[in-house]
Amino acid sequence: GAGVSQSPSNKVTEKGKDVELRCDPISGHTALYWYRQSLGQGLEFLIYFQGNSAPDKSGLPSDRFSAERTGGSVSTLTIQRTQQEDSAVYLCASSFIAGGTDTQYFGPGTRLTVL
Amino acid sequence: AQSVSQHNHHVILSEAASLELGCNYSYGGTVNLFWYVQYPGQHLQLLLKYFSGDPLVKGIKGFEAEFIKSKFSFNLRKPSVQWSDTAEYFCAVYGGSQGNLIFGKGTKLSVKP
Repeated sequence: GAGVSQSPSNKVTEKGKDVELRCDPISGHTALYWYRQSLGQGLEFLIYFQGNSAPDKSGLPSDRFSAERTGGSVSTLTIQRTQQEDSAVYLCASSFIAGGTDTQYFGPGTRLTVL
Repeated sequence: AQSVSQHNHHVILSEAASLELGCNYSYGGTVNLFWYVQYPGQHLQLLLKYFSGDPLVKGIKGFEAEFIKSKFSFNLRKPSVQWSDTAEYFCAVYGGSQGNLIFGKGTKLSVKP
């Protein structure tokens, strides 16, 4: 596609519900990243995929967070039993290859509000 | 662990004023450095990046940044800002093994017409 797309653009949920956030990277990009942007916290790295594999999940803030990527393309970030502190904008980025020399292209984000 | 500091939280300028936004990183070895911009209601876009070579890097929309290794700095500059430069600016450094970027907390720039 022309750019990284994410859905939904906005999600309002009640505390304790599960949510799924979707990212569709740029076609041909093998690396995919999830970040979280909170007020006052800046951009926080969550997890990275090279192909379908996530080598290190230690950036996820709690075991309520999980992510998967299938077919080397679309990725889903799932938050179980949402809490108010999960409210943030969740950003997805992709790059052709993993590594600092390749530009990461960001999607528009999903704004999650947990009531 | 690598970290990035942006000194200014909010900068307010009049049109045609010169801009310099500070960015310092903590790691002293080889670094890959980036400036991203987020215009109101839009997604993060790359302004410029430095990997090696000429420490003065030119980006889009008249922006440039200078890598000064001895000062661990990568400040963003523009000689004359426009109202359309109103946005939030993020400095970032490549974090390493996971390919992730480490971002500063951002500087909000407001340009008065």
